[in-house]
Amino acid sequence: KNEVEQSPQNLTAQEGEFITINCSYSVGISALHWLQQHPGGGIVSLFMLSSGKKKHGRLIATINIQEKHSSLHITASHPRDSAVYICAAGNYGGSQGNLIFGKGTKLSVKP
Amino acid sequence: DAGVTQSPTHLIKTRGQHVTLRCSPISGHKSVSWYQQVLGQGPQFIFQYYEKEERGRGNFPDRFSARQFPNYSSELNVNALLLGDSALYLCASSPGHGDYEQYFGPGTRLTVT
Repeated sequence: KNEVEQSPQNLTAQEGEFITINCSYSVGISALHWLQQHPGGGIVSLFMLSSGKKKHGRLIATINIQEKHSSLHITASHPRDSAVYICAAGNYGGSQGNLIFGKGTKLSVKP
Repeated sequence: DAGVTQSPTHLIKTRGQHVTLRCSPISGHKSVSWYQQVLGQGPQFIFQYYEKEERGRGNFPDRFSARQFPNYSSELNVNALLLGDSALYLCASSPGHGDYEQYFGPGTRLTVT
């Protein structure tokens, strides 16, 4: 069993739909990261959170530390949101840069 | 301000050769981490350096090595390349000092034939 599990693996949505991507982790964390990866490989950090909820524009990330679960929501989805979304668990007690990544969720938003 | 830069962008090598990948962190960032992403998988942690010292190492063979220079740039070296080393190699920098947000470079795509 992977230490960071994401679901679904693939997601197709119609433009305007509300999207949820889930992430469960089994390791202790200092923070949970949500990342976006476009074709070609570049990775952009969307959120880093250790509790509660964060919002940037149409993106919302939540985390439940007790349940070891996080969700990424996209409201009013748009074709430009099509990308791979990756959650990563960060534990900074030992190695500061050690992120454990999920396999990613490939999102395709159709116009 | 410039983001994290990596060079080269793409690289093709043959089995048995060695390769050196380079990363320049964001100005002021003292921590650099290296990740390997095989096609269709999430990235895997290789190394982390902070203030020129190795702070973490993932589950990779000794063929993989890295170092960080006084200007905080970093090199990842891979010896005796195998076909399975073909991947996207990502570098990420973070400020350190309790700020662990990571900023990723565009990656180097290595193909081993």
